[in-house]
Amino acid sequence: EPEVTQTPSHQVTQMGQEVILRCVPISNHLYFYWYRQILGQKVEFLVSFYNNEISEKSEIFDDQFSVERPDGSNFTLKIRSTKLEDSAMYFCASSDWGDYGYTFGSGTRLTVV
Amino acid sequence: DAKTTQPPSMDCAEGRAANLPCNHSTISGNEYVYWYRQIHSQGPQYIIHGLKNNETNEMASLIITEDRKSSTLILPHATLRDTAVYYCIVRARAGSARQLTFGSGTQLTVLP
Repeated sequence: EPEVTQTPSHQVTQMGQEVILRCVPISNHLYFYWYRQILGQKVEFLVSFYNNEISEKSEIFDDQFSVERPDGSNFTLKIRSTKLEDSAMYFCASSDWGDYGYTFGSGTRLTVV
Repeated sequence: DAKTTQPPSMDCAEGRAANLPCNHSTISGNEYVYWYRQIHSQGPQYIIHGLKNNETNEMASLIITEDRKSSTLILPHATLRDTAVYYCIVRARAGSARQLTFGSGTQLTVLP
């Protein structure tokens, strides 16, 4: 069964450093998403991406965040200057045109120290 | 997207049917009911969705009331691996990059 692959599974970074979280969505999917989940809290939407541009973004997704699909297969989330409160699980997801659900990756646990 | 209400937790005996309710009284005509689950901090997993007819797939059945104001997800023979948080989400149909809004969901615990 096709799956969404995220790397790394766990990343530790120092406050103020830049991090890039990587995702390989399902190959024939057209819509791509990032969500995050702070420990013990709800899954929160960050951003959706379609046709090489952002479709929707939440208020969490401020100027410190950016997304890119550099080569037609990878989908990345960059955090320019990490803060302690960015520590969370980050989930990538993708979906196609149909009325089917999203497929989520297994997540990257980001720890900012 | 319409708001949903789910009980915070439920228990179910292994091998029995698990019936998870969801209220979505403000659902509009073009909104679908989606169910996802999350097993212990893994990525959410799509289970099933429907508009107004009952739906069944290899994982579960979805029963939507005639007025569409509530629905029930049925896991016919729950196993220990079905222990998870189950989310009922209402949103417009796919085909657009619409976000999913996750609530707190129902923590289902399947007991041996």
